[in-house]
Amino acid sequence: GENVEQHPSTLSVQEGDSAVIKCTYSDSASNYFPWYKQELGKRPQLIIDIRSNVGEKKDQRIAVTLNKTAKHFSLHITETQPEDSAVYFCAASWGGSQGNLIFGKGTKLSVKP
Amino acid sequence: DVKVTQSSRYLVKRTGEKVFLECVQDMDHENMFWYRQDPGLGLRLIYFSYDVKMKEKGDIPEGYSVSREKKERFSLILESASTNQTSMYLCASSLRGRGYGYTFGSGTRLTVV
Repeated sequence: GENVEQHPSTLSVQEGDSAVIKCTYSDSASNYFPWYKQELGKRPQLIIDIRSNVGEKKDQRIAVTLNKTAKHFSLHITETQPEDSAVYFCAASWGGSQGNLIFGKGTKLSVKP
Repeated sequence: DVKVTQSSRYLVKRTGEKVFLECVQDMDHENMFWYRQDPGLGLRLIYFSYDVKMKEKGDIPEGYSVSREKKERFSLILESASTNQTSMYLCASSLRGRGYGYTFGSGTRLTVV
């Protein structure tokens, strides 16, 4: 079946360093790739998304890149801060036209002061 | 401005009880979803619905059923709760169509004893 692989499962960085989370997807028809951040005890929230007609998108310290040929996309966080500590989920659209997302298993990011 | 509301934040039920988890959204979204979240397993899709009275099985529907009598409300039913259904349950909604992110509720932490 369709699948999204996410790596690494855990990531620990020093404050100020960059963090990169990578995802690969299997459905070549996927055209929408959102990223969610889930802080401890809270709901997942959309932080950035990218569509298949765009190769890169930035929003302040976060950026997402997409390589359609290789079917992978990545989240980049620069100048990490302790408040970036959370679980991050990538997702890819799949199936027909209704709007399902398939999620990666998540990356627990820890930013050490 | 909470847009997806789950009726209970914490719930404790006994084995064999029938359990109802309620989710209400005020964004006029067509799609609604139920996930369970367990450590290391990510978000697993239980059931989803594209429209009133419509339902589709997700990846792990066994032991669950759903009801969508009104567009804004999607209920998850555990017919006979078991201890292996102890989990965090997340509801989400989205507009119909490819290219829309999900809005998640805050989750219900269900413990079956």
